[in-house]
Amino acid sequence: QSVLTQPPSVSGAPGQRVLISCTGSYSNIGTVNDAHWYKQIPGAAPKLIIYTKRDRSLGVPDRFSASKSGTSASLAITGLQPEDEGDYYCQSYDTTLNAWVFGGGTRLTVL
Amino acid sequence: QVQLQESGPGLVKASETLFLTCLVSDYSITSGYYWAWIRQPPGKGLEWIGSIYHTGRTYYSPALKSRVTISVDTSKNQFSLRLTSVIAADSAVYYCARGQQWLPFDYWGQGSQVTVST
Repeated sequence: QSVLTQPPSVSGAPGQRVLISCTGSYSNIGTVNDAHWYKQIPGAAPKLIIYTKRDRSLGVPDRFSASKSGTSASLAITGLQPEDEGDYYCQSYDTTLNAWVFGGGTRLTVL
Repeated sequence: QVQLQESGPGLVKASETLFLTCLVSDYSITSGYYWAWIRQPPGKGLEWIGSIYHTGRTYYSPALKSRVTISVDTSKNQFSLRLTSVIAADSAVYYCARGQQWLPFDYWGQGSQVTVST
C-alpha cells in the first residue's frame, strides 16, 4: 500500500479537463515538501513533468498544472490530447519515515 | 545533460544476492544531490528502495532495509545496489535516479530488468 493515495484510473474525451488527486499526510505533502509529478508510458522510464509546486519541466505544455492544499496535491490537465495517455505518479518526501514516497499511480485514458 | 546507466545481471536465482551499478556521466556525484534506486515490478507502481549521498550517508525504505545496501564509488562516479535473499517479488525493472529530499527525481536511467528465477 502506497503512502500517497491516487485514483487507479481517470479518463476524459479530447479537449476535456481531468484532475488527478494525490492524498498524503502531515508528514509528507502536508509539510514544506512539495508533491512532484511524473508521466510514464509503457516500456519507458518515468519522466518528470511538474515539480516544486507548479514548475513544469522543459517541453511540458502549460495545459499541465499542479496545486496543493493541506495534505493533498492535484495534477490538472486541460485540453486533453491523445498523447497525454499514460501512467501518472505523484511523489514527495516523508519526514517521519525519512523516505522518498510515491503514489500508486493513475492511468489516464483519452477516450 | 546528466546521464545515468544501470548495469548488472538480468537473471538472479532465488535466495541469492542482486547487485546493480549505476554509472553517472556529465555530472560529478560529489557535486551534490542524493542518488537513488527505484524499482517497478511488472504491471505495478514505482517503489523507492534507497538513496545515498556522496559522503556515504544513506536512507533506506523501511520495507527493504534489512536486505538492502547502497554504496558509492566516487572515483568511478558510480553507485551500487545490493539486495540479499531475493525472492520472486523482487523481479522488477530497477531504475537509478538523482534526487534530493525537497526536490524531485530529475534524471533517471533507462532501467534494468531483473528477473528472479525460482
